[in-house]
Amino acid sequence: GAGVSQTPSNKVTEKGKYVELRCDPISGHTALYWYRQSLGQGPEFLIYFQGTGAADDSGLPNDRFFAVRPEGSVSTLKIQRTERGDSAVYLCASSPGGGQVQGYGYTFGSGTRLTVV
Amino acid sequence: AQSVTQLDSQVPVFEEAPVELRCNYSSSVSVYLFWYVQYPNQGLQLLLKYLSGSTLVKGINGFEAEFNKSQTSFHLRKPSVHISDTAEYFCAVRIRGSNYKLTFGKGTLLTVNP
Repeated sequence: GAGVSQTPSNKVTEKGKYVELRCDPISGHTALYWYRQSLGQGPEFLIYFQGTGAADDSGLPNDRFFAVRPEGSVSTLKIQRTERGDSAVYLCASSPGGGQVQGYGYTFGSGTRLTVV
Repeated sequence: AQSVTQLDSQVPVFEEAPVELRCNYSSSVSVYLFWYVQYPNQGLQLLLKYLSGSTLVKGINGFEAEFNKSQTSFHLRKPSVHISDTAEYFCAVRIRGSNYKLTFGKGTLLTVNP
């Protein structure tokens, strides 16, 4: 597609429920990133995919968070047993991938605003 | 580890006035530097980036930034702002040799008043 698409744009869930957030990157972009932006903060890195594999998941806060990208395009961020502290905007970005492609910035999606009540 | 400090959380200015948004970074290795803008309910948009070469970088919408290695700064400037420049601005760094993991500052809310 023309840009990075994230769905849903807003999600309200009850504490303890499971949620899935979807990211559809720009066609052909092999690198995909998830960031979390809490209120009043800058985005914080969660996980980076190169193709189908998670090259770096060091930013995932705990084992309730998991992300997949089974076919190397669409990615899903999954959060189990949601807590009120998980409330944030979850941003996805993609870039032309592979190796030392240093000059490219990311293209960000508009984000999913998750509210846990 | 690297870190980014944006010295002002909010900057109010009048339309057509000049503005400077300050950014300092800390890193033990060389970095690339970026400024992103976020309009309400939208994703982040790249304004400009410093990779190498000239330390004065020009970006979109009339913004520019200057990389100062000795002061580890990358301040963003615009000589005359418009109402439409009202947005949140984020400074970010990425380690050279790394293709991922931007580290962002907390952001500066620029409010342009008529």
